[in-house]
Amino acid sequence: GDSVTQMEGPVTLSEEAFLTINCTYTATGYPSLFWYVQYPGEGLQLLLKATKADDKGSNKGFEATYRKETTSFHLEKGSVQVSDSAVYFCALFSGGYNKLIFGAGTRLAVHP
Amino acid sequence: KAGVTQTPRYLIKTRGQQVTLSCSPISGHRSVSWYQQTPGQGLQFLFEYFSETQRNKGNFPGRFSGRQFSNSRSEMNVSTLELGDSALYLCASSLGHRDANTGELFFGEGSRLTVL
Repeated sequence: GDSVTQMEGPVTLSEEAFLTINCTYTATGYPSLFWYVQYPGEGLQLLLKATKADDKGSNKGFEATYRKETTSFHLEKGSVQVSDSAVYFCALFSGGYNKLIFGAGTRLAVHP
Repeated sequence: KAGVTQTPRYLIKTRGQQVTLSCSPISGHRSVSWYQQTPGQGLQFLFEYFSETQRNKGNFPGRFSGRQFSNSRSEMNVSTLELGDSALYLCASSLGHRDANTGELFFGEGSRLTVL
């Protein structure tokens, strides 16, 4: 079945460092891909999305490119801030009724 | 525009009891989905409702059930609680479409259930 694999955390960075969180997927067809973020004590928020190969999703300085050849959707940010500390979830949607398949989540901690 | 509202935010139950969680979607959203989040299993899909009909169901036992009302508000119920049911239960809404959806969901803050 469909699945999403994320790099294990926690990821600890200093402020203004470069961030990469790896995400790969297994799915039939061409699913839509998402990054969701969960700040402490809150629900998930959609960070960015891509619906077809080579699409680049971007939001709040974060970017991810849908790579069909490597079945990947890595999250990147050029300069992280303390306020980016959260848990990041990669997810895919392969159709049907809002059944998202989530990765295990990667906790990011950014220190001043 | 108010977001997705879940009640209660926190609750404690004992094994064997039952619990009902409530979710009010964003105004105008007709699809409501439920997810269970645990440290061990991560985020897992429970079920999805649209226009009072369950359209999709995850791989959970029959103790987990839900329903949706005509105003799109939804409830989920867990009967005969087990220790392993301790989790954060997240509700998500979307505009919904009769035939398909985009997968873009708006989540509430969750109801944290502790089973003792």
